Amino acid sequence: KQEVTQIPAALSVPEGENLVLNCSFTDSAIYNLQWFRQDPGKGLTSLLLIQSSQREQTSGRLNASLDKSSGRSTLYIAASQPGDSATYLCATRGRDDKIIFGKGTRLHILP
Amino acid sequence: DTGVSQDPRHKITKRGQNVTFRCDPISEHNRLYWYRQTLGQGPEFLTYFQNEAQLEKSRLLSDRFSAERPKGSFSTLEIQRTEQGDSAMYLCASSLTTGFLGPNTGELFFGEGSRLTVL
Repeated sequence: KQEVTQIPAALSVPEGENLVLNCSFTDSAIYNLQWFRQDPGKGLTSLLLIQSSQREQTSGRLNASLDKSSGRSTLYIAASQPGDSATYLCATRGRDDKIIFGKGTRLHILP
Repeated sequence: DTGVSQDPRHKITKRGQNVTFRCDPISEHNRLYWYRQTLGQGPEFLTYFQNEAQLEKSRLLSDRFSAERPKGSFSTLEIQRTEQGDSAMYLCASSLTTGFLGPNTGELFFGEGSRLTVL
């Protein structure tokens, strides 16, 4: 059974710093991994989707990497801004087509 | 394309009442998912549809819960005889898959959610 873990549960960093969010999963037989952002009381906004054959995806200041063999993905945020404050979730889509989410990392960017 | 729409955004009800949520997916998307999310947790899978066919239901979905997607477009999630433990955010998502029961590598898009409060 796939388990997705995100550590730390919460993170505070000063504005302007680069930061890395971590996502680990137990079953490497995945079709893809997707990163989302969630603001309080809102739905999830898709940030990046990495297919199993890919190693990384980039969008603006965001870069996501995928290492299936080690069961890890990272989301790199460059030059953080207060508007980046949100909860970031990762989710894997397995061979059984189940999509399993981590509990998320609550990010707070200090002005 | 207006994205995934959910209605209502917030529902307050008394224990024992029935509630229904509606989801309108992105128009060309053939897969539709329902998730439930409680505070501090990631979304938990409830059920999903391929067009009008309901392909899987989670054990979380008790017999008080029923979901439909009658014409393969919008979907409804009904909760009968609500309990306080049903209080949560109910999220709908959609994606495009290229083959029936085949691998779905499509990106998942979520609506804004429907928050249920059971008093």
